[in-house]
Amino acid sequence: GAVVSQHPSRVICKSGTSVKIECRSLDFQATTMFWYRQFPKQSLMLMATSNEGSKATYEQGVEKDKFLINHASLTLSTLTVTSAHPEDSSFYICSASVGTIKGSGNTIYFGEGSWLTVV
Amino acid sequence: QKEVEQDPGPLSVPEGAIVSLNCTYSNSAFQYFMWYRQYSRKGPELLMYTYSSGNKEDGRFTAQVDKSSKYISLFIRDSQPSDSATYLCAMRKGAQKLVFGQGTRLTINP
Repeated sequence: GAVVSQHPSRVICKSGTSVKIECRSLDFQATTMFWYRQFPKQSLMLMATSNEGSKATYEQGVEKDKFLINHASLTLSTLTVTSAHPEDSSFYICSASVGTIKGSGNTIYFGEGSWLTVV
Repeated sequence: QKEVEQDPGPLSVPEGAIVSLNCTYSNSAFQYFMWYRQYSRKGPELLMYTYSSGNKEDGRFTAQVDKSSKYISLFIRDSQPSDSATYLCAMRKGAQKLVFGQGTRLTINP
């Protein structure tokens, strides 16, 4: 299947600082990427949809000024958590929609996730 | 009512048993149906992908979609301890966002 790489897998930052998480599609071009947040023992919560070359679309209740998303190329999207606080500590996961691999239809593949701890 | 309903479990079965996981949904416009497996502290891994109604088999895994009943299933044959994980059903219409079930925590006991 398609490969989505996410980096870093774990990050610890001080309260008030910003941290960037990268999401790359390694063997396909992804015009659309998605960013999720997942709390322990809960399902994935969609934060925003990232479209290459345009502004991200944020879900209701997600602060776009706090969670900055940039999708500058067909293989890279970044999520920057600005002025992070302990309550932002969570598991962040990106995914990419595969439309160019034969037989994949609109399959979505996920990255390995990034654990953010704000201290 | 949630768009996608999935029993969160936990579900515990002995090794070698057949596991049946299910989701129901309310939006008849959903076209693409997926099952993901998520191990603890990892990203979801795509297991099965089905377009519209029908069955699909891949090794020990079989996915079924019944659009008339708005019901999808994942069967795991000859279950192994390594199958212990959370299983998420997900579906979407066209290129719209995925809608997930809550996830079912499955444990296979040796």
